[in-house]
Amino acid sequence: GAVVSQHPSRVICKSGTSVKIECRSLDFQATTMFWYRQFPKQSLMLMATSNEGSKATYEQGVEKDKFLINHASLTLSTLTVTSAHPEDSSFYICSASAGRSTEAFFGQGTRLTVV
Amino acid sequence: QKEVEQNSGPLSVPEGAIASLNCTYSDRGSQSFFWYRQYSGKSPELIMFIYSNGDKEDGRFTAQLNKASQYVSLLIRDSQPSDSATYLCAVNYDGTASKLTFGTGTRLQVTL
Repeated sequence: GAVVSQHPSRVICKSGTSVKIECRSLDFQATTMFWYRQFPKQSLMLMATSNEGSKATYEQGVEKDKFLINHASLTLSTLTVTSAHPEDSSFYICSASAGRSTEAFFGQGTRLTVV
Repeated sequence: QKEVEQNSGPLSVPEGAIASLNCTYSDRGSQSFFWYRQYSGKSPELIMFIYSNGDKEDGRFTAQLNKASQYVSLLIRDSQPSDSATYLCAVNYDGTASKLTFGTGTRLQVTL
């Protein structure tokens, strides 16, 4: 299957700072990328959908000014958690798809801990 | 609110037995159904997907779909300790195979 690389795998940051997470498709062009969040013992919750070159579409209840998503190229999307707080501590996972009806491939995930 | 329901478990089965994992979904318009396996602290990995009513087999895994009952299941034959993980059911609602709604997952424990 296709490879999606997510970086960093773990990050610890201080409350009030911002953190950027990268999601790269290594061997295909990802026209669409999805960002999920997973709290302990819970399922993946879709945060937003980003299409290359356009603004991300956020799910209900997700603050777009807090979770900034950029999908400037066909191989890279970034999620920036701005002014992070302890309640933002979670497992963030991206997935990438080459087209509307194709399978999405998941990155390895990023464990964010805000202290 | 489109929902995907799974029993959280844990489901405990002895090594070599058949594990049966179940999932129900709320929207009759759902088009495709996916089973993922997730080990603790790791990202989900796709096991298989199914679009049509009936059974689909891939190695030790069989997915079963009943659209009339809004029910999808995953059978794991000859369960191994390495199958111990959380199994996530995911449903596609809007025609894009890549945009998924996930269930909460069922934790499977395969005992020696």
